[in-house]
Amino acid sequence: GQQVQQSPASLVLQEGENAELQCNFSSTATQLQWFYQSPGGSLVSLLSNPSGTKHTGRLTSTTVTKERRSSLHISSSQTTDSGTYLCAHNTNTGKLTFGDGTVLTVKP
Amino acid sequence: EAAVTQSPRNKVAVTGGKVTLSCNQTNNHNNMYWYRQDTGHGLRLIHYSYGAGSTEKGDIPDGYKASRPSQENFSLILELATPSQTSVYFCASGGQGGGQDTQYFGPGTRLLVL
Repeated sequence: GQQVQQSPASLVLQEGENAELQCNFSSTATQLQWFYQSPGGSLVSLLSNPSGTKHTGRLTSTTVTKERRSSLHISSSQTTDSGTYLCAHNTNTGKLTFGDGTVLTVKP
Repeated sequence: EAAVTQSPRNKVAVTGGKVTLSCNQTNNHNNMYWYRQDTGHGLRLIHYSYGAGSTEKGDIPDGYKASRPSQENFSLILELATPSQTSVYFCASGGQGGGQDTQYFGPGTRLLVL
């Protein structure tokens, strides 16, 4: 079945450093979505990026469809960026398959 | 941005009891989804719907029913709750279709089955 693998599983940064999160998926995606989840919170959609590069604020996502991978770059990290980042994709069914997430901790 | 609300936000149920989780969305999205999130399993799809009157089985539908009486409302029903259904449940909606849905999530419902 469809699989989504995220790396690293956890990441600790000092405030101001950049973060690079990776997502690999097993089949061609028609939708690739990055979410943020605060501890005990809900999922907030950050970017929908099935191909190419998209920017919003300090976030940049690059998806290379042929290579079945996507990355999320967070520039100038802040303590409020701490939480779990989830990658999810679907293959034209509308159903998202999620990775296990990357837990980001940004220290002051 | 899509507005998705869920009720109740927290629920304690007894084994064998019936539990209904409700979801409402106000952006006229065709598609709605129910997920559960558990440590070690991530987010898993239980049921989904393409519109009023339709329900489809997701990846883990056993022990759950779904109902979509209207465009706005999508319910998840546990007819005979079991402790293994203790989890956090999320509802989501998405409207673009064609496999390109951007999904928007509700705040979640924490269910504890004793």
